[in-house]
Amino acid sequence: SQQGEEDPQALSIQEGENATMNCSYKTSINNLQWYRQNSGRGLVHLILIRSNEREKHSGRLRVTLDTSKKSSSLLITASRAADTASYFCATLKAAGNKLTFGGGTRVLVKP
Amino acid sequence: KAGVTQTPRYLIKTRGQQVTLSCSPISGHRSVSWYQQTPGQGLQFLFEYFSETQRNKGNFPGRFSGRQFSNSRSEMNVSTLELGDSALYLCASSPGLAGGGDTQYFGPGTRLTVL
Repeated sequence: SQQGEEDPQALSIQEGENATMNCSYKTSINNLQWYRQNSGRGLVHLILIRSNEREKHSGRLRVTLDTSKKSSSLLITASRAADTASYFCATLKAAGNKLTFGGGTRVLVKP
Repeated sequence: KAGVTQTPRYLIKTRGQQVTLSCSPISGHRSVSWYQQTPGQGLQFLFEYFSETQRNKGNFPGRFSGRQFSNSRSEMNVSTLELGDSALYLCASSPGLAGGGDTQYFGPGTRLTVL
């Protein structure tokens, strides 16, 4: 079963605009990770935020984590056509590397 | 460093057959995890191996099994294939820090089609 729910399920924006997607989860976590997937290929790791962190930046990506609300958001600024992909959040609860994924957000960036 | 490699990339089998998928992790990584991705169920964790031992297991039937070799390469096996086993099978490797919780690096996947 999936731990997370992502919102929206799909997003269509123009190049240059910002894209925001949200992830909610159900249980306490060790960390939360965001991944990108292009057309059914492998997943590319974007960013990892630990449960004691509130915000993290990586290039044009900004991730926030609110453990009291059990939610996270991913912001992509100044989007490009190459950002067109599916984005997944994944939570890690405890020891080991068992990730529980959300359903994903499909992002389409129109040139 | 070379990335995670998975072989074969595509596979077509018929119901009742068995299949073995292979994953070579990034050099130096000791943890290998397997995931199944389907349109209906999304991405689901199958199992994780660390230092040749299964460290975590998902909720899949016993037809799904795996193992890890001393060089950290891993294989997963699915016996008595069913139509519902058609999926993209993804392997991920990570350094395997004590306790886990580190970044996972995914391979390109093996697309299995069961007819």
